[in-house]
Amino acid sequence: ETGVTQSPTHLIKTRGQQVTLRCSSQSGHNTVSWYQQALGQGPQFIFQYYREEENGRGNFPPRFSGLQFPNYSSELNVNALELDDSALYLCASTHWPENYGYTFGSGTRLTVV
Amino acid sequence: TQLLEQSPQFLSIQEGENLTVYCNSSSVFSSLQWYRQEPGEGPVLLVTVVTGGEVKKLKRLTFQFGDARKDSSLHITAAQPGDTGLYLCAGAGSGGSNYKLTFGKGTLLTVNP
Repeated sequence: ETGVTQSPTHLIKTRGQQVTLRCSSQSGHNTVSWYQQALGQGPQFIFQYYREEENGRGNFPPRFSGLQFPNYSSELNVNALELDDSALYLCASTHWPENYGYTFGSGTRLTVV
Repeated sequence: TQLLEQSPQFLSIQEGENLTVYCNSSSVFSSLQWYRQEPGEGPVLLVTVVTGGEVKKLKRLTFQFGDARKDSSLHITAAQPGDTGLYLCAGAGSGGSNYKLTFGKGTLLTVNP
C-alpha cells in the first residue's frame, strides 16, 4: 500500500503571496487532515476533510482553506501569507470515523520571507 | 481547549539506560496515540491506546493509558541509538470530535552510543 505523499517538499514565498500545497492520501483512507508544525512545537490541527467537505477546523483564520477531491487527495491553500506562516505543513490520512491512527506525509517546509 | 503537557522536553541518555516519557492533560480523550518523528520527516504512528488502564507493548517500548483516559506514559527499556527522535503524544477528542488530534510539544530523545 502507498503512504501519504506531499508536494512540494520545500517552498519559499514572499509575504502577501498565496500558496497551494498538495497531498495524496494513503490507499483505503477516506479522510485527510492538515497540520502546521512550527519549529520546536508539536503539530497543530488546521482542518479535516471527509467526503469532500470540511468537517472540523482548528484555530486558524479563513485565509487557510482546503479541498478534498473524489480520489481523496487534498489541497491546502493559504492566502495573504504572513511571516508566522513559516512552518512544516503536514498532511495526514486515516479511515474515519474509526481513527485508530493517522498516516502522515513527510511534509512541506514553507518559508515566508 | 484541550492541552497535552509532555515531559521531559529533552532527554539525553546512554545506550542501555531506561527512560519514561509522560503525557498529561486535564481533558479526557477517546484515544491516545504516540508518534515518533525524525528530522525532515512526518510523525510515524507507534501505538494507539483506547481503553482506560490499557497497557501495550511494542518490543522494548511499553505504553500505558491512564485509568481516567487523561494521561499516558511511554517507557523504553535498554534504549538504543536507533531510538533517537522526537516522541509525540496526541489525544483524539471525545464523541464527534475524535477527528482532531491535540499534540504535545514532544520529547526530544538522544541516545548516545
